[in-house]
Amino acid sequence: QQQVKQSPQSLIVQKGGISIINCAYENTAFDYFPWYQQFPGKGPALLIAIRPDVSEKKEGRFTISFNKSAKQFSLHIMDSQPGDSATYFCAALIEGSARQLTFGSGTQLTVLP
Amino acid sequence: GAGVSQSPRYKVAKRGQDVALRCDPISGHVSLFWYQQALGQGPEFLTYFQNEAQLDKSGLPSDRFFAERPEGSVSTLKIQRTQQEDSAVYLCASSFSRTGSNRPQHFGDGTRLSIL
Repeated sequence: QQQVKQSPQSLIVQKGGISIINCAYENTAFDYFPWYQQFPGKGPALLIAIRPDVSEKKEGRFTISFNKSAKQFSLHIMDSQPGDSATYFCAALIEGSARQLTFGSGTQLTVLP
Repeated sequence: GAGVSQSPRYKVAKRGQDVALRCDPISGHVSLFWYQQALGQGPEFLTYFQNEAQLDKSGLPSDRFFAERPEGSVSTLKIQRTQQEDSAVYLCASSFSRTGSNRPQHFGDGTRLSIL
C-alpha cells in the first residue's frame, strides 16, 4: 500500500525557475511531513519539514505548502540552481507513535544551466 | 563521529551467501533505523531500535533478515542465504529521540548490496 504518492517522477527546470514537487498522503494520522534531498551515492538529507497546524513553511529558497483537507503537500524551490539537481523525497511520520518514515517514490530534479 | 557511518559502502555477494552490514550512529542517538532503498525508489522501513531494544521489526521482508544492536550503539543488519531480490541500498538512520517526541533522522550514505 503506497501511503505517500509523489509526482512528478522527473522534472527539468531552467536555472532561475521554480521547481514544484507534489505529494499526497492517505493516512490522516500522519502529523510530521519532511522533505529529503538525496545526491547520487549519498544518503537522504533533511531539507525542510512541516507539521499540519501550519499551511506554509519557508526556509530560504525552499517552501512547503500544506493542504490538510486535501491531504496534500508540496515543495517549491525558488530560483532553482544547477546545484539543486538531485532526487527529492517527501515523507510522512506519526509522531509519538510509529517512528519510521514513510517515503514517496522520489522526484529526480534536473536544473539546466 | 560527526555523522552516521555505514560499512562496507559496497558489498557484492553470491546468491546464497550470508552478509553483515554495519551502522555506527551519531554518538548519543537513542533511536536507530534501517531502511531498504531499491533502485529508483524511496527508502522503505525495515526495523527500529531504541537503545538496544528492537521495538519494531515489521518491515523485515523475511526471516532471512536479522538486526541487532547489543550495546545500544553500533547495529548490524544480517541477511542470510541472500537472494537476487535483496540487491538494494541499505540505509541506516539515527535520531536523538525520546518516547513521545520526534527528532530529525540523520541518514548514513548506505551500503550498496549486489547479489550475483
